[in-house]
Amino acid sequence: NAGVTQTPKFQVLKTGQSMTLQCAQDMNHEYMSWYRQDPGMGLRLIHYSVGAGITDQGEVPNGYNVSRSTTEDFPLRLLSAAPSQTSVYFCASSWSGGPLYNEQFFGPGTRLTVL
Amino acid sequence: GDSVTQMEGPVTLSEEAFLTINCTYTATGYPSLFWYVQYPGEGLQLLLKATKADDKGSNKGFEATYRKETTSFHLEKGSVQVSDSAVYFCALRQGGSEKLVFGKGTKLTVNP
Repeated sequence: NAGVTQTPKFQVLKTGQSMTLQCAQDMNHEYMSWYRQDPGMGLRLIHYSVGAGITDQGEVPNGYNVSRSTTEDFPLRLLSAAPSQTSVYFCASSWSGGPLYNEQFFGPGTRLTVL
Repeated sequence: GDSVTQMEGPVTLSEEAFLTINCTYTATGYPSLFWYVQYPGEGLQLLLKATKADDKGSNKGFEATYRKETTSFHLEKGSVQVSDSAVYFCALRQGGSEKLVFGKGTKLTVNP
């Protein structure tokens, strides 16, 4: 299993450009999520999905869009990049539901710089 | 809303020193508690977890006990190694949700 994969690893954008960060998992996980990591801020939830066709907003959703057409993929779209979106982005996935905690598996991250 | 507070870093220790990283939380009910570790240039990995009060999570020599009375989940290790240098995140999850709430992270550097 490849686990959770993210592409690209690094990206530089100009203000106003759009792009899509890719996330895929091969563990048949229902739950997928996107976080951003900023110095001194920890990880903050952007969007999440509990299954194909179902998405919802997290703590910091503005400026980002998501869709979940398949179980495996959960792309994150930046509609019009701004310098405030300079960050490291992590995708995570896990099984969903049930009484027991389901470990979340994280991808290696995408480091995005917006100039 | 739910929140996690962990001690500010960075923390610098010598090899074989004792480590404590404090973590307290604010939440309703009985959340599950976790420590994640992020090694340089990598994503987060689950280090240990506890799902109910008085549970002790342990892994790789690290331990943390879920203290409901003090709303704490402090991370400890008796003898750190250079390879433990990483950023450590405390997190909670409420029952019925997969969403994790993270603390801000504590960077640990262990010198030989």
